Amino acid sequence: EAQVTQNPRYLITVTGKKLTVTCSQNMNHEYMSWYRQDPGLGLRQIYYSMNVEVTDKGDVPEGYKVSRKEKRNFPLILESPSPNQTSLYFCASSRTGSSGGHEQFFGPGTRLTVL
Amino acid sequence: SQQGEEDPQALSIQEGENATMNCSYKTSINNLQWYRQNSGRGLVHLILIRSNEREKHSGRLRVTLDTSKKSSSLLITASRAADTASYFCAPTGGNNRLAFGKGNQVVVIP
Repeated sequence: EAQVTQNPRYLITVTGKKLTVTCSQNMNHEYMSWYRQDPGLGLRQIYYSMNVEVTDKGDVPEGYKVSRKEKRNFPLILESPSPNQTSLYFCASSRTGSSGGHEQFFGPGTRLTVL
Repeated sequence: SQQGEEDPQALSIQEGENATMNCSYKTSINNLQWYRQNSGRGLVHLILIRSNEREKHSGRLRVTLDTSKKSSSLLITASRAADTASYFCAPTGGNNRLAFGKGNQVVVIP
């Protein structure tokens, strides 16, 4: 089954304790992206990757890091989480192409609480 | 910005009625996509309309695009309780990035 998986699904942590949220897709997609969703603000893009070893900042990259060492995986790293990073996080993937903007497949979400 | 802005932001209708949502954006696009999100879950792609298309259908969904007005609409016909969700438009440029709006919450009353 074609899917995007995220782990963990729920996480409660404390300020400053490094954490990683994993994302994996089995569709051989080149493009992967991380979003955060907050009430009243919609989805905002954190980082994206056009392919292996190619990553770029989205609209709200501060406080986050990513890596793309393999095509299927795109982990999101919070080196020193703060309470303002409490949010619902989504990973997504899609093909790429000259026409731009293909259908994105979303993971189930990771609800993060930073105390 | 390329971000889509949905209107109205909340809509409540009776089952069987049609629901119409609008989306406006500010820059040129390659295509525009609509997604649905059930409470707290991942977004699900509904339909994609390219910049050279004016209307597209998929089941009970009808999407229109007016690039001269930089706007799109999503019509759900004969709504069902299961259509209760948030709907997002995402204008897309050539870089594959989707600029989601804040979403439109639709409640279908049985």
